[in-house]
Amino acid sequence: GDSVTQMEGPVTLSEEAFLTINCTYTATGYPSLFWYVQYPGEGLQLLLKATKADDKGSNKGFEATYRKETTSFHLEKGSVQVSDSAVYFCALSELAGANSKLTFGKGITLSVRP
Amino acid sequence: ETGVTQSPTHLIKTRGQQVTLRCSSQSGHNTVSWYQQALGQGPQFIFQYYREEENGRGNFPPRFSGLQFPNYSSELNVNALELDDSALYLCASSLPPGQGAFYGYTFGSGTRLTVV
Repeated sequence: GDSVTQMEGPVTLSEEAFLTINCTYTATGYPSLFWYVQYPGEGLQLLLKATKADDKGSNKGFEATYRKETTSFHLEKGSVQVSDSAVYFCALSELAGANSKLTFGKGITLSVRP
Repeated sequence: ETGVTQSPTHLIKTRGQQVTLRCSSQSGHNTVSWYQQALGQGPQFIFQYYREEENGRGNFPPRFSGLQFPNYSSELNVNALELDDSALYLCASSLPPGQGAFYGYTFGSGTRLTVV
């Protein structure tokens, strides 16, 4: 079945540092890939997405490129801010699936210190 | 446009009791999915409703059941609550199945259920 693997956390960075959060996936078909962010006490917010190989999703300075050859969708940001502190989830959804459910990784907590 | 709203925000129940959680979908969305997020884990798919019928189910026992109404809102019912049911329950709405994978899902803020 489908699965998503995220790097182990937590991650602590200083403000303005470069961020990379690794994500790899296993899927039977051709999934869409997503990054969701969860701020303390809140639900999930869609951060960015990519629906086919080599697509780059971007939002709020975050970027991720759909790499089919390495089955990866790593999240990057050039300069993190304290307000980026949250839990980040990588997820996939099969386009051809009957219900296109989301399969999530375990998430990683990012803390950015001033 | 209105987002996804869930109620209640917090709930404490006793083991063996039954609980009903509610979700109103985002305007324009007709598909609702429910997820369980245990502490420190990623959300796990419970089931999805489309056209008032269950359209796929994850690895959850039958005591987890749901409904979808003509206005696309939805309920999640859990019978015979167990301590392990303590979690954040998230509702997500989307365009019809398949399109959700392309356009994404909108999540509510969740209901925090504690079973004691």
